[in-house]
Amino acid sequence: KAGVTQTPRYLIKTRGQQVTLSCSPISGHRSVSWYQQTPGQGLQFLFEYFSETQRNKGNFPGRFSGRQFSNSRSEMNVSTLELGDSALYLCASSVAQGGFGTNEKLFFGSGTQLSVL
Amino acid sequence: GENVEQHPSTLSVQEGDSAVIKCTYSDSASNYFPWYKQELGKGPQLIIDIRSNVGEKKDQRIAVTLNKTAKHFSLHITETQPEDSAVYFCAASKAYQLIWGAGTKLIIKP
Repeated sequence: KAGVTQTPRYLIKTRGQQVTLSCSPISGHRSVSWYQQTPGQGLQFLFEYFSETQRNKGNFPGRFSGRQFSNSRSEMNVSTLELGDSALYLCASSVAQGGFGTNEKLFFGSGTQLSVL
Repeated sequence: GENVEQHPSTLSVQEGDSAVIKCTYSDSASNYFPWYKQELGKGPQLIIDIRSNVGEKKDQRIAVTLNKTAKHFSLHITETQPEDSAVYFCAASKAYQLIWGAGTKLIIKP
């Protein structure tokens, strides 16, 4: 079974631009969550999607948005990029058979390394 | 809200020795505590988890202990090997959302 696939692997953008990152979850997984990882801040939760609906959101500004498609694939968009947005963006999927409130194993992709110049 | 503190930030041990990483959490309602291992260039991978109704769980060389009264949990790795070198993250959760510790870089010295 293929793992979680994130594209692109590396991305270089300049301040003010926008960027879209893609995540393909493991087949059969309905939940996709996104994390920002920086050396100083560790793993910060961005949002989680389940069956095309955002059901959980972290404390990030509105410049960060996402969506999930009917095939469970997800995209994350960051508008008006700032230098501080440079980070590794990780996507994780889970089966989520238990529905909301269930703690389940997360399967992470290798991430997209975003550099904002 | 929940807060998770993880110590130490870096841990260097001799190959074959044991390693212990500790985390404390603030919300007594947290009921799920996973540990993830992140190798260079890869995303985190779950290595062991424990729920609040269990005090200890083992899987070969890895064990996790939970003290609900003190609100802390620990990862124990015995007989460390070079492939254990990685960054380890703890997390605490209630109602799905995970709150992560800052990570511990484990270095195994030959």
